[in-house]
Amino acid sequence: DAGITQSPRHKVTETGTPVTLRCHQTENHRYMYWYRQDPGHGLRLIHYSYGVKDTDKGEVSDGYSVSRSKTEDFLLTLESATSSQTSVYFCAISDSELYAYNEQFFGPGTRLTVL
Amino acid sequence: GEDVEQSLFLSVREGDSSVINCTYTDSSSTYLYWYKQEPGAGLQLLTYIFSNMDMKQDQRLTVLLNKKDKHLSLRIADTQTGDSAIYFCAAEAGRAAGNKLTFGGGTRVLVKP
Repeated sequence: DAGITQSPRHKVTETGTPVTLRCHQTENHRYMYWYRQDPGHGLRLIHYSYGVKDTDKGEVSDGYSVSRSKTEDFLLTLESATSSQTSVYFCAISDSELYAYNEQFFGPGTRLTVL
Repeated sequence: GEDVEQSLFLSVREGDSSVINCTYTDSSSTYLYWYKQEPGAGLQLLTYIFSNMDMKQDQRLTVLLNKKDKHLSLRIADTQTGDSAIYFCAAEAGRAAGNKLTFGGGTRVLVKP
């Protein structure tokens, strides 16, 4: 398995509080992604990073921010959590410099509940 | 943007073949992928196909691509109970768009003994 960890694995928080999820990789892959998974919607891209300090928005970025100060860490912050952000969050990494196709390796997920 | 659609559910008997279908909208997608998600876990790549191919076989897996109709299918031969999972189709936007993948909603496959 690719070396990807996510922390915390489970979190319950209250509406209006800030929350930060961490993704850590040991593979030195260039690209990192944050997705959310909701029933009926599959995985939807929140933000992604193509290098240290280089990030861009995905399709559902409102209410989320990210930072990548080191190759190995990609942080997702919910600035003021809302109940609609209750979801399972997955981090993924890839390095298409190695292959022509873009295999993404996924972390184990973080289940976030916003009350 | 890209839109990827899949049926929600498939039930199949052990030993039969399963066919999971997917449609996508962006004809410039370079690679198309099938990922598998087992309960409580992240996704794992099962197989992929380059857009200039129309078929790819990998052991029990056969991927068919109809580029004209923007239709992708995954056939699993001799389906086993361990194949019960959610299967996601994904289309790649290409390097100019950050190699982003757009995923379908997932097809839950239930294999009955």
